[in-house]
Amino acid sequence: DSGVTQTPKHLITATGQRVTLRCSPRSGDLSVYWYQQSLDQGLQFLIQYYNGEERAKGNILERFSAQQFPDLHSELNLSSLELGDSALYFCASSAWGMNTEAFFGQGTRLTVV
Amino acid sequence: EDQVTQSPEALRLQEGESSSLNCSYTVSGLRGLFWYRQDPGKGPEFLFTLYSAGEEKEKERLKATLTKKESFLHITAPKPEDSATYLCAVQASNDYKLSFGAGTTVTVRA
Repeated sequence: DSGVTQTPKHLITATGQRVTLRCSPRSGDLSVYWYQQSLDQGLQFLIQYYNGEERAKGNILERFSAQQFPDLHSELNLSSLELGDSALYFCASSAWGMNTEAFFGQGTRLTVV
Repeated sequence: EDQVTQSPEALRLQEGESSSLNCSYTVSGLRGLFWYRQDPGKGPEFLFTLYSAGEEKEKERLKATLTKKESFLHITAPKPEDSATYLCAVQASNDYKLSFGAGTTVTVRA
C-alpha cells in the first residue's frame, strides 16, 4: 500500500458527461501529480500541484481541470467526456515539489460509453 | 523535450534465467532516473531512484545502474512473481514532472 488513496476505483459514464476523480496523498506529502494511462499512450503527465498551487502542466486538455485543497487532497475534473478519454487515471504524491520518489495510487479506471 | 525509450518491449524468461532491461534517455540535465514496477490494473510501485552516472542500487533480485545516457535494470535468477511491466522515468533538473518510457513487460515462466 503506497498510502495514496484514489476514489472511485471504477467509473462508467456516458459521452458528454462530467466526472470528478479524487486523490488523497500520503500523509505529509505536499505535492500531487495526475497521470493518464491509456493502452496506446503509456503514462502521460497531466498536471502537478504543490501545497495548493499549480506547479507544472503537461498534456492536459482544456476540458480537464484540477485543484488541490487546503487539506492537500486533490480532484481532477473531466468534462464533455469523449470515448477517447477512457483510460486509467493515476494520482501520485511526493514529499515536496522538487523531490524524488513519487508514490502512486491504485488509479481510477474511467470508461466512457 | 525529454525522451525515454525502453527496450525490449517484452521479455519472456525461464525461472532462474537472468536478463537486463534497457532505458535510454535524453533530458536537459538529469535530476533523477526512476524505476517502477506495474502489475496489470494497478498503480506503479516505486523501486529505485538513481541520481548520477555510476550509481547502482539493489533490491532483492533487482539491480539498477545508471550511465550518462542509459540505465539498466538487471533481474538476477527471476521468479514468476517478478512478472510485471517495468517502467523507467526521468525527471529533468528544471522540471517537476516524471517522463515515462513505454515499459518492458517481463514474463517469468516456472
